[in-house]
Amino acid sequence: LAKTTQPISMDSYEGQEVNITCSHNNIATNDYITWYQQFPSQGPRFIIQGYKTKVTNEVASLFIPADRKSSTLSLPRVSLSDTAVYYCLVDKIPGAGSYQLTFGKGTKLSVIP
Amino acid sequence: DGGITQSPKYLFRKEGQNVTLSCEQNLNHDAMYWYRQDPGQGLRLIYYSQIVNDFQKGDIAEGYSVSREKKESFPLTVTSAQKNPTAFYLCASTPLAGTGGRSPLHFGNGTRLTVT
Repeated sequence: LAKTTQPISMDSYEGQEVNITCSHNNIATNDYITWYQQFPSQGPRFIIQGYKTKVTNEVASLFIPADRKSSTLSLPRVSLSDTAVYYCLVDKIPGAGSYQLTFGKGTKLSVIP
Repeated sequence: DGGITQSPKYLFRKEGQNVTLSCEQNLNHDAMYWYRQDPGQGLRLIYYSQIVNDFQKGDIAEGYSVSREKKESFPLTVTSAQKNPTAFYLCASTPLAGTGGRSPLHFGNGTRLTVT
């Protein structure tokens, strides 16, 4: 299973764009990159997923370079409500291997007024 | 609304007692998972099940047991053999198969277990 590395914490002011980078040097061909957000005392929730290049939805963008050894979650114009822990996961498409999904410690984002 | 229900939200037990945490989903998902989260830590996988009557150990299965008798239910028993059972427990599910992409995990809102 591909191991991921993220910064432990980040601070940002309200209204700024925040970029959180995740390293996954041993990502396999069949692996997808998925990001989750977790608020205190709640379960994580899905934010965005990608395989290569760039993906954008109403919440965030995900940038994946050609070598796929890293990915960057971009949150535009953060607000106080974006204060949370963000997890990067790398896992396989269904049928391609183990379903064990391993979470690292994530990045704790603190948005400052 | 479809989702995952974990109950109770808070649970208190005395040391030496077994306790069972409930997880029910009405998403018609095939796979279900149990994670443990300690303060300031990530999620660690305890057990997972891809199909009824089958389950596999995760990274930290010792001291825990599960059953999967119905597709929608995946209860977790924390036994007295678990040395540090106080933690936040999260249940999740995903559908199996798909035409592309990895189906994201859907999580419940967790059960906080305190053992004294």
